Amino acid sequence: DSGVTQTPKHLITATGQRVTLRCSPRSGDLSVYWYQQSLDQGLQFLIQYYNGEERAKGNILERFSAQQFPDLHSELNLSSLELGDSALYFCASSEGQGWSYEQYFGPGTRLTVT
Amino acid sequence: AQSVTQLGSHVSVSEGALVLLRCNYSSSVPPYLFWYVQYPNQGLQLLLKYTTGATLVKGINGFEAEFKKSETSFHLTKPSAHMSDAAEYFCAVSDTGRRALTFGSGTRLQVQP
Repeated sequence: DSGVTQTPKHLITATGQRVTLRCSPRSGDLSVYWYQQSLDQGLQFLIQYYNGEERAKGNILERFSAQQFPDLHSELNLSSLELGDSALYFCASSEGQGWSYEQYFGPGTRLTVT
Repeated sequence: AQSVTQLGSHVSVSEGALVLLRCNYSSSVPPYLFWYVQYPNQGLQLLLKYTTGATLVKGINGFEAEFKKSETSFHLTKPSAHMSDAAEYFCAVSDTGRRALTFGSGTRLQVQP
């Protein structure tokens, strides 16, 4: 158990809809990262927040957005969903904001868009 | 742009045999290099990382990797495979300048009894 929690575990929704994925980091960790894992795209870094502020951006679509709240939990919002958005979405957390810090991954949220 | 190439999407070894998973990277600045393992239906777990200093890095579960700048490689090895090592392994590269993390396509390790 990494100490990172993600809800929900599974999500099934229709094209065009909007969903919110939630992540609670390990106690004491200030950075939260979001990743997408799909069969065709592989594992991709989406976005990083540190202590409430966006720190780094990867291959995140404009239809996707994220935020980190004062209690340090984070939410990833996916809108206007397409079939290709079906994937496993991971959240990770680390103590610091640099890439040298070890990241601890949550179990993931499996999103299925029908 | 930085990139990672993992040679071999599937590697099969016998229990007790040497494990060698290959990773080559490209980066215009000194990289940070990582190996992660993913067991079925689980998130990723860090095996080891190279940031600075000693080029031979020891990780968890008996794995180690050597950073070879001249070959732009960071291959993962383990002297003797266990059945419990069967999983998918990802190499990743980052650097402070780019502020992102790029993963390879992954190598699925199968361990035969």
